[in-house]
Formats: sequence, structure tokens, C-alpha cells
Amino acid sequence: ETGVTQSPTHLIKTRGQQVTLRCSSQSGHNTVSWYQQALGQGPQFIFQYYREEENGRGNFPPRFSGLQFPNYSSELNVNALELDDSALYLCASSLSLGGTYEQYFGPGTRLTVT
Amino acid sequence: GNSVTQMEGPVTLSEEAFLTINCTYTATGYPSLFWYVQYPGEGLQLLLKATKADDKGSNKGFEATYRKETTSFHLEKGSVQVSDSAVYFCALDNYGQNFVFGPGTRLSVLP
Repeated sequence: ETGVTQSPTHLIKTRGQQVTLRCSSQSGHNTVSWYQQALGQGPQFIFQYYREEENGRGNFPPRFSGLQFPNYSSELNVNALELDDSALYLCASSLSLGGTYEQYFGPGTRLTVT
Repeated sequence: GNSVTQMEGPVTLSEEAFLTINCTYTATGYPSLFWYVQYPGEGLQLLLKATKADDKGSNKGFEATYRKETTSFHLEKGSVQVSDSAVYFCALDNYGQNFVFGPGTRLSVLP
């Protein structure tokens, strides 16, 4: 059973550019969530996808968007990058919705915006 | 809204000392509660969880009890090791809609 994987590991972008981050869910998991973790802070919920539909969203602007594919892998897209978007982006997958299902986290993508 | 509050760090202990990291939460309904650990340069790993009041989660010598009356989920370990040095996050999940993390508590264990 493979765990959650994310790519790329590190990324440097310029303000105003667009970025796409990728996540492969753990085998059998149909739910994926994305989080932003700024340096020295706890992860902040961006959004969650369940069976290819957005299921919930945190307090992030529309320039943060996502997709979940039929194989339950996922993308996070960020348009018009700002300096404050520099953070570790974490993807987590779970077997289904609901608090009883554990979220398994990937190692993250470190995004630096200059 | 839902929120999680943790004791501020850093917490510095000597090896074999007793550890307590306080966590309190605010939520409607009956959330599930979690402790995650993050080692340097890595993602988050689930340490333990509890899904209903009075449940005790435990793993690797760590324990936490879901106390609904005090809305708390304090993390404890009887004897810490140097390898326990990491950042610990308390979190809640309210019916899968939104996972809320606390700010994290950095633990340093000295030999």
C-alpha cells in the first residue's frame, strides 16, 4: 500500500505567476484535502474533494482552486501568486468523509514566491 | 466557528521527564479530536485520536482523553525521549467538513 505522495518537493515562483501542485492519494482513498502551512504555524484548511466534487472550503480566495480526478489524485492551482502564498502545501487523503476516518498526509510541497 | 487552542511553546524537557501539552477546543456538536506530530522537514503523522467523549487515544506511550465537559484533549507522556523532539498539533474534525489545527507546540527533549 503506497502512501500519499506530492510533487514537486520544492518550487520557486515569481509573484503574479501561476502554480499547479499535485497529490496522489493513498490507495483506496476517495477524499482529499489541501492545507497551507505557513512557517511556524499550524496547517490551514484550503478545501476538500470527495469523489471529484468540492465538499468544503476554508477561508481562501477563488484564485486557489482544485481538481480531483477519477483515480482520486488531485491538483491544487494557485493563480496570481502573492508573496504571502509562500508556504508548505500539504495534501491529505482519507477513506471517506466523516471524523472517524483518519487523514493521511503527504510530505508537502514547499512553495517560495519571490 | 471551530477552533483549537494549544499551549505555547517551545517546551524544553530533559529525557525521561513527564510531558503535558494542553489543548482545548471550540466546536458545535461532537467533533473527533486528533494529535499529529511533525518531525523536521516532514509532513504530519497521526499520533492518536478519539472520536467520542471519554475516549482515550494512545500510541507510542502518548495518551490523550477526550473531555467534553472541559472541551479538552491534553497530550501526555510519562517519560519522553530525545526522539520525541518535534512539533505537536492538536486538531479537530467536525463531521469531515473542515479539519481545524491548533498552532502547534514545539517540544525539545535534551539528553
